[in-house]
Amino acid sequence: DQQVKQNSPSLSVQEGRISILNCDYTNSMFDYFLWYKKYPAEGPTFLISISSIKDKNEDGRFTVFLNKSAKHLSLHIVPSQPGDSAVYFCAASALSGAGSYQLTFGKGTKLSVIP
Amino acid sequence: GAVVSQHPSWVICKSGTSVKIECRSLDFQATTMFWYRQFPKQSLMLMATSNEGSKATYEQGVEKDKFLINHASLTLSTLTVTSAHPEDSSFYICSAFPYTGGKTDTQYFGPGTRLTVL
Repeated sequence: DQQVKQNSPSLSVQEGRISILNCDYTNSMFDYFLWYKKYPAEGPTFLISISSIKDKNEDGRFTVFLNKSAKHLSLHIVPSQPGDSAVYFCAASALSGAGSYQLTFGKGTKLSVIP
Repeated sequence: GAVVSQHPSWVICKSGTSVKIECRSLDFQATTMFWYRQFPKQSLMLMATSNEGSKATYEQGVEKDKFLINHASLTLSTLTVTSAHPEDSSFYICSAFPYTGGKTDTQYFGPGTRLTVL
């Protein structure tokens, strides 16, 4: 049972346009959400996050929106640049039984920004 | 920013041999480290949670006798794939959770280790 879902495996966007990556979750215990960017054969790098008490967080060209009632979040990148081409992972955090904040990842969306 | 290293970055081994992968937090202490595995075109799958000074917590379906985890210090966790088989070929990624804790602290990921078992 996948608790974090990214239903679009890939997305192509023209340079300069907006990229919107979507993520849905099922576990209501998740209270912190993160987006990671990953290049092939590299580890993920943290991009932006949002707490469940907020509905929007903005950092430069990246904005994450959270709709708690719909259990949905989205990452907006505007304007999109060719260097943004990568796989984007949505992750959700909840306190684990071990007392640490464990991440559950979606399957990722491959973004291609076309020059 | 915080840096996590992994060694080796890639390894090729024969079936039946054991392979050790190291994960180090270079500029911070991490009481908790996580080991993930990624198959092609699939998500990162959490394998186990490594806690300094105690036994690792394994996710359901992960063989603890096959994937040995040792978190010997606040900056080092090791994953040993014992008696490796071709189906163990994968990309293994570790992450470290800074000691300061708090749910707003993000995890820092290593660059990953590509394991190929012939």
